[in-house]
Amino acid sequence: EVQLVESGGGLVQPGGSLRLSCAASGFTVSSNYMSWVRQAPGKGLEWVSVIYNGDSTFYADSVKGRFTISRDSSENTLYLQMNSLRPEDMGVYYCAVPFTGYNSGWYGADWGQGTLVTVSS
Amino acid sequence: SYELTQPPSVSVSPGQTARITCSGDALPKHYAYWYQQKPGQAPVLVIYKDSERPSGIPERFSGSSSGTTVTLIISGVQAEDEADYYCQSADSSGTYVFGTGTKVTVL
Repeated sequence: EVQLVESGGGLVQPGGSLRLSCAASGFTVSSNYMSWVRQAPGKGLEWVSVIYNGDSTFYADSVKGRFTISRDSSENTLYLQMNSLRPEDMGVYYCAVPFTGYNSGWYGADWGQGTLVTVSS
Repeated sequence: SYELTQPPSVSVSPGQTARITCSGDALPKHYAYWYQQKPGQAPVLVIYKDSERPSGIPERFSGSSSGTTVTLIISGVQAEDEADYYCQSADSSGTYVFGTGTKVTVL
């Protein structure tokens, strides 16, 4: 059974940094496409970043140059390093993965419960 | 930037059919996916690859595709189907996008 557990959210001042983690079980993080998706309070879903099994990475224009997606095979964990945080980055951050072994594009077959990021002074 | 456009809201009586559209220029080239999200919960995949239904999703959920528009169809709507629904697809630059979201209200 696939399980995703996010952590690392919290309160940070504008301009600050946070690193989110997504601990995976039931599949191998390094063999699957994985994305971060966020949702601002009362707003819709926004795709943030993807990492492919060949380690290619892509970012939404809104976070490019500030956020970095990565993974640790030994920990079977996905990360999102967020720098230069802005109030508009505030929201719930989810990690999500397609059905195991699907490598023709990303979509969210399984999701974590999300971790809340608050950016405020 | 690439956008997927959905109607903000759809209202439907129990037992009737709800149709939610999602329009985007790149939809003929990339699969569409549909998610259901209830308040305070993570999204749940209800349709993948335009029209495939994951195991555990009721048969009343189906998807179709025609040109630059994809449609989520909920046949025989039930009260428990009241939720926000989002489409999602890829663009041609390696990135992904969600639709604007549709709130389904069961009257």
